[in-house]
Amino acid sequence: NAGVTQTPKFRILKIGQSMTLQCTQDMNHNYMYWYRQDPGMGLKLIYYSVGAGITDKGEVPNGYNVSRSTTEDFPLRLELAAPSQTSVYFCASSQRYLSSYNEQFFGPGTRLTVL
Amino acid sequence: AQKITQTQPGMFVQEKEAVTLDCTYDTSDPSYGLFWYKQPSSGEMIFLIYQGSYDQQNATEGRYSLNFQKARKSANLVISASQLGDSAMYFCAMREGTTGGFKTIFGAGTRLFVKA
Repeated sequence: NAGVTQTPKFRILKIGQSMTLQCTQDMNHNYMYWYRQDPGMGLKLIYYSVGAGITDKGEVPNGYNVSRSTTEDFPLRLELAAPSQTSVYFCASSQRYLSSYNEQFFGPGTRLTVL
Repeated sequence: AQKITQTQPGMFVQEKEAVTLDCTYDTSDPSYGLFWYKQPSSGEMIFLIYQGSYDQQNATEGRYSLNFQKARKSANLVISASQLGDSAMYFCAMREGTTGGFKTIFGAGTRLFVKA
């Protein structure tokens, strides 16, 4: 299993540009999440999904959009990039039930800089 | 509202000693899970330990244990016999099991420095 994969690893955007951060998991997990981590800070939840076709806002959803057409994929769309969106973006997935075996599995992150 | 608080931005510990990293939480959901993750300087997130709200005993995983005090809504991580490789950021996280829609939120983190 590859686990959670994210592409690209690094990206530089100009203000006003758009892009999609890709996230794929091969563990058949129901739940998927997008977080951003600003330098020296904790993770803030952007959006999450409890299954294909179902998404919901997290703590900091403004400026982002998501879709979940399949169990495996959960892309994050940035429209009209702003310098405030400079961050490291982590995708994660987990199974539904709360147990010691159902922790979140994280991707390696995408480092995004908006200039 | 769901909330996680880590009040220690940074902690120092001598190698081979034990250290406690604090975490308090707030939720109205009776079913929830608490997680601790380690993030070394390389950036990946490493799962350490989990505690369920209905678990009767404190969780342990090797040198990691979770001091779960439900009435006080605290879930402190205890690392015994610290090693130089334990130097990293540590995050506490909570997932609500029912009313919260299973979303998981994180605290601000504690940076641990292990001194030789």
